Amino acid sequence: GQNIDQPTEMTATEGAIVQINCTYQTSGFNGLFWYQQHAGEAPTFLSYNVLDGLEEKGRFSSFLSRSKGYSYLLLKELQMKDSASYLCANQAGTALIFGKGTTLSVSS
Amino acid sequence: DAMVIQNPRYQVTQFGKPVTLSCSQTLNHNVMYWYQQKSSQAPKLLFHYYDKDFNNEADTPDNFQSRRPNTSFCFLDIRSPGLGDAAMYLCATSIDGNSNQPQHFGDGTRLSIL
Repeated sequence: GQNIDQPTEMTATEGAIVQINCTYQTSGFNGLFWYQQHAGEAPTFLSYNVLDGLEEKGRFSSFLSRSKGYSYLLLKELQMKDSASYLCANQAGTALIFGKGTTLSVSS
Repeated sequence: DAMVIQNPRYQVTQFGKPVTLSCSQTLNHNVMYWYQQKSSQAPKLLFHYYDKDFNNEADTPDNFQSRRPNTSFCFLDIRSPGLGDAAMYLCATSIDGNSNQPQHFGDGTRLSIL
């Protein structure tokens, strides 16, 4: 199976740091993606991890531990525009299996 | 700019009346996907084309069909929409479906059933 679990909702304030966790079943793992989705819009690609460790890309970083079936997305210096749903997705063959997403609300 | 375009953005149809959603891409990607996303849920893959090869997910209802007449276009046909089919339908592409290539999504078509 490809159960992907992530928290449903998180809240944070502008300028803060937030970590969104994701756990997945390790069978058939081909890479872990993070997408951002604003309400009513399409998901947009944020990051990809296939090896263990931290990938940093500006204010966003993503971490992967394959042995633990665990990833997190780290958002620094939060801005109001970061309020969105963050989707963790596992590549299974040519398809993506998405988690339900974590809705992040950033307040001033 | 190269992109994935879905038309229309909003579609309203009647219960049981066939409806077609369209997707086009200028990325020249080999793989095109259709996802269904209901409110507060994850996008769920319905099927995908690798070039002309059609790959249906095991739990996709027979009511959903797809056509890909050429590299650029892909259509989602819902033969007899039910109230449960109201959702956002997302089209996505990838270069070759390999795991290190991100999928590029269109803006989606939000389908309402009357």
